[in-house]
Amino acid sequence: GQQVMQIPQYQHVQEGEDFTTYCNSSTTLSNIQWYKQRPGGHPVFLIQLVKSGEVKKQKRLTFQFGEAKKNSSLHITATQTTDVGTYFCAGPTGGFKTIFGAGTRLFVKA
Amino acid sequence: DTAVSQTPKYLVTQMGNDKSIKCEQNLGHDTMYWYKQDSKKFLKIMFSYNNKELIINETVPNRFSPKSPDKAHLNLHINSLELGDSAVYFCASSRGQEGPREKLFFGSGTQLSVL
Repeated sequence: GQQVMQIPQYQHVQEGEDFTTYCNSSTTLSNIQWYKQRPGGHPVFLIQLVKSGEVKKQKRLTFQFGEAKKNSSLHITATQTTDVGTYFCAGPTGGFKTIFGAGTRLFVKA
Repeated sequence: DTAVSQTPKYLVTQMGNDKSIKCEQNLGHDTMYWYKQDSKKFLKIMFSYNNKELIINETVPNRFSPKSPDKAHLNLHINSLELGDSAVYFCASSRGQEGPREKLFFGSGTQLSVL
C-alpha cells in the first residue's frame, strides 16, 4: 500500500542552526500536509501544499512540494527552543484517509 | 472553548478490562477520526465517521468498536484490553467537504496504559 516515508527520525541541533525534514511518497500525492506535535501535546496543522513545485513560508519555516508531487520538505532557519517537537508530513491515500509519515523529532539545545 | 475534547486524558487499567474514550467536537465538522499513536510516535488511523456513517475501518482488532451517536461525538470502546493496546489515542475532526485535503483538528489525546 501507499507509504509516506519521512527522514531523519531524529535531529539534534544547537539553537540557531538550521533544520530540515524530508518526506517521500511511493506515489504521486494530490496534496501534502505538515503538522507539529510539541512534547506531551497533540498534532497541530501547520500548512498544506497542493501545487507542483509549490513553496510556502511561515516566518522561519519554509515548506516545499516537489515538482513530481512525490516529495516535500520542511526547513527551519535559525532554530529556537520553541521549535522543539515532532514534525509530521501527511498525505492522502484515497477517500477520506490521510496517512502520516513516521515524524522527525527535533531537539534544540540552548 | 476547546474545539475537539476527549476524555479521559489518562486511563490506567488492568488487562482484560473494558474501557471507553469519549470525544466531542464543537467545530460543526462532519467527519471525525480515531488515531492511535504508539511509543515511537507513529500515528495510525483506526476509524473515521462522516455524519455518523463509518467510512474508514482500518485493520483493527474487533475488540475496538467506535460509535457515533451524532456528528459531534465519536466514542471508542475497547473490550478485553491487552498490553499492546497501551498507546495515546487521538480523536480528530475535519469539515468533511473535501476529503483528505482538509486539515485535521486533533484532541489532546488519551494516554492509555494497560497493566
